[in-house]
Amino acid sequence: DTAVSQTPKYLVTQMGNDKSIKCEQNLGHDTMYWYKQDSKKFLKIMFSYNNKELIINETVPNRFSPKSPDKAHLNLHINSLELGDSAVYFCASSQDRTGKLFFGSGTQLSVL
Amino acid sequence: ELKVEQNPLFLSMQEGKNYTIYCNYSTTSDRLYWYRQDPGKSLESLFVLLSNGAVKQEGRLMASLDTKARLSTLHITAAVHDLSATYFCAVDMLYSGYALNFGKGTSLLVTP
Repeated sequence: DTAVSQTPKYLVTQMGNDKSIKCEQNLGHDTMYWYKQDSKKFLKIMFSYNNKELIINETVPNRFSPKSPDKAHLNLHINSLELGDSAVYFCASSQDRTGKLFFGSGTQLSVL
Repeated sequence: ELKVEQNPLFLSMQEGKNYTIYCNYSTTSDRLYWYRQDPGKSLESLFVLLSNGAVKQEGRLMASLDTKARLSTLHITAAVHDLSATYFCAVDMLYSGYALNFGKGTSLLVTP
């Protein structure tokens, strides 16, 4: 079983569209995250979500919104997609203060 | 703002040679993480260093942490082609839901 799974793996869409990426973890972890990796491989934290507490990176546009129906899921919804949103989005989870993250396989988002 | 700096960002080395990747960070933290990413793949945890003076080894890779100097090193011994990948160091962002702040990554190419 995949520990952290995200779908879809590839997402190609037009500017202005709204899209969602789903993430599920079966590790029983308490905290989940979304990271964005740009074309230069730079990884930037977007959100962390722990016990219904959402911590947002202040640089993330409000077009991005995480939604967590339960502890095992953290989905990412993006409104009004822009060219600059093209990147690989990684979901991750961790259990405790050791902070070791387990990453999903990534979603390659291409905005045309 | 927590800054994590790696150097070098690009490294081409011959098989059989030794080299060290450096990771400096700007604020107090006693936890440092190393990840590996193969092209088009997710991130894989290599080492978790949880205290000053921590040293961990796995195969040809050895990581160490000096929290007083705010420095971690990843030493490669007798490199082989299979080690070609991008290596990231990352540091806890305290009070941020345990999210990690990543360096820009070191792209390592091991050539015959």
